[in-house]
Amino acid sequence: EIVLTQSPGTLSLSPGERATLSCRASQRVSSYYLAWYQKKPGQAPRLLIYGASSRATGIPDRFSGSGSGTDFTLTISRLEPEDFAVYYCQHYSSSPPIFTFGPGTKVDVK
Amino acid sequence: QVQLQESGPGLVAPSGTLSLTCAVSGGSVTGSLWWSWVRQPPGKGLEWIGEIYHSGNTNYNPSLKSRVTMSIDKAKKQFTLKLRSVTAADTAVYYCARVMGQQLALFFDPWGQGTLVSVSS
Repeated sequence: EIVLTQSPGTLSLSPGERATLSCRASQRVSSYYLAWYQKKPGQAPRLLIYGASSRATGIPDRFSGSGSGTDFTLTISRLEPEDFAVYYCQHYSSSPPIFTFGPGTKVDVK
Repeated sequence: QVQLQESGPGLVAPSGTLSLTCAVSGGSVTGSLWWSWVRQPPGKGLEWIGEIYHSGNTNYNPSLKSRVTMSIDKAKKQFTLKLRSVTAADTAVYYCARVMGQQLALFFDPWGQGTLVSVSS
């Protein structure tokens, strides 16, 4: 079973700063099956990135995803006030079929 | 635009069965689509529970497989989750979501707004 580890656990930044979030898989995975979500309290998760680097519909271009193999990154180029939230990476394994989430990275205001 | 809405009791007694329904609007439940349940216990991360295809085929998280049953009603455009023998550890916000496939990628979009289910006597 693939385990996802996210770092850091909490990232304290100011609006306008760059945020770099890491997601590491316990073994090599397909980039196709790596996605990122934003989660705010009281709201449903919001898809940001799929296929490791494709932005979902309506997602601002300050959000970008990259990586391959075991190491993946979500970058927010310039933090807006609405970007302070928890971010989860997610992976799909086909054998057996199972979706796995990372523990999350909280981006909060410094 | 597809929208999902969860419904069901907000309180379940310990050892009882949690039962939730997700209604799909703005689209069909058929086609090359799977439908999933994901939960988030208070203060914790997201956990995938399982998925169901319109044919009734299912895949469950191994950690919950012994207690989970999912079903689908194509005519009513809804799918359901049943979780048996619940304990306080099953207290969570439960989300339903569509599993999307695009350019070989698989991900959840859209999501329902979520419903809090508490397990307590």
